[in-house]
Amino acid sequence: GAGVSQSPRYKVAKRGQDVALRCDPISGHVSLFWYQQALGQGPEFLTYFQNEAQLDKSGLPSDRFFAERPEGSVSTLKIQRTQQEDSAVYLCASSPSRDRVGNQPQHFGDGTRLSIL
Amino acid sequence: SQKIEQNSEALNIQEGKTATLTCNYTNYSPAYLQWYRQDPGRGPVFLLLIRENEKEKRKERLKVTFDTTLKQSLFHITASQPADSATYLCALDDSGGYNKLIFGAGTRLAVHP
Repeated sequence: GAGVSQSPRYKVAKRGQDVALRCDPISGHVSLFWYQQALGQGPEFLTYFQNEAQLDKSGLPSDRFFAERPEGSVSTLKIQRTQQEDSAVYLCASSPSRDRVGNQPQHFGDGTRLSIL
Repeated sequence: SQKIEQNSEALNIQEGKTATLTCNYTNYSPAYLQWYRQDPGRGPVFLLLIRENEKEKRKERLKVTFDTTLKQSLFHITASQPADSATYLCALDDSGGYNKLIFGAGTRLAVHP
């Protein structure tokens, strides 16, 4: 497809379960970002990949959150032992180059809405 | 502390008028500032990017200004249409944070026929 694809669109899990969220970026895009968006708030940075290298994970809220991009394309965000406060929309974005992040548009997927019961 | 502020109240305007949205920031020194549009249930869509040495940028009915002295960006939509109704997000990159965009909470715009 032409855009960033995320799956699943909706995920409901019980507290304590592990979840995995998938992002297919635009083909050839070097940079990939994960964000968390709470209701009524802007996206909040979680982590950044340049190809397969995770260059910044400073936004991950706890060690229960883990992200990977092993072949430099598809990325997975995994949350272990989910808590109710993990409920949010998780957005993935990609951009074509290694250029400074502010100097290039980010292309977002439509997100995964995660609800923890 | 560092913060980005956008009007938390929804902006309601009449079709055909100019909408002006504000983004103020504190304790950041952005080299770039971006504006995105977000519709309910969808991801943000990039609209415009402006650099710190640019005062103004235009794209069709959209205009963005960037005042580093006032620490403010204004986003204008001229001849607004009901289809412009959405939430508009500003985002900046701090000079110390090359890898991340920092987003405001967004302003909801409603354009009434």
